Amino acid sequence: DQQVKQNSPSLSVQEGRISILNCDYTNSMFDYFLWYKKYPAEGPTFLISISSIKDKNEDGRFTVFLNKSAKHLSLHIVPSQPGDSAVYFCAASGQETSGSRLTFGEGTQLTVNP
Amino acid sequence: NAGVMQNPRHLVRRRGQEARLRCSPMKGHSHVYWYRQLPEEGLKFMVYLQKENIIDESGMPKERFSAEFPKEGPSILRIQQVVRGDSAAYFCASSRAAYGYGYTFGSGTRLTVV
Repeated sequence: DQQVKQNSPSLSVQEGRISILNCDYTNSMFDYFLWYKKYPAEGPTFLISISSIKDKNEDGRFTVFLNKSAKHLSLHIVPSQPGDSAVYFCAASGQETSGSRLTFGEGTQLTVNP
Repeated sequence: NAGVMQNPRHLVRRRGQEARLRCSPMKGHSHVYWYRQLPEEGLKFMVYLQKENIIDESGMPKERFSAEFPKEGPSILRIQQVVRGDSAAYFCASSRAAYGYGYTFGSGTRLTVV
């Protein structure tokens, strides 16, 4: 039962353009959502998060949008840079676990071409 | 201020042997989480521990796997009688409080069972 899904295994964009990574979830108990970035042979690093009481959170080049009715969130990176090339995971946590457990999607490999 | 330290980085075990994976949390963090990433998949929650207590082990396989976080020393994830299907990257994370959005991940241990 995959409660968090990232349907695009890979995404390729040109440097300077916008990257949009998508994530869908099924569990209505999720109330906090996060994006992590992962380089090969390293652990995931936190990128940006959003609470279910908001629909948008922005941090520099990164913006996360949450559409609760559609159970969908997206990460926008603009402008994209070659150093952004990595695997991006969306993750969710819910009140039933006091936020202590994250449920991850399968990841999307982003490649930013110079 | 060292981050989450995991060792070894790479571990090779023959089928039937035991694997011990170690995780030292960040200074000041008393909550430890273990996740497993199988090839081509996202991270899956295994267990959440505080010092000397297992808080949530709902993601742990019922047999052969155990985890501890003693009063002194690192957290240990132990896999007895390893099988090929245990080959994966095992990530540890720590946090100051019991909330997923406070996580810091280690670089992981890549277990290969031959």
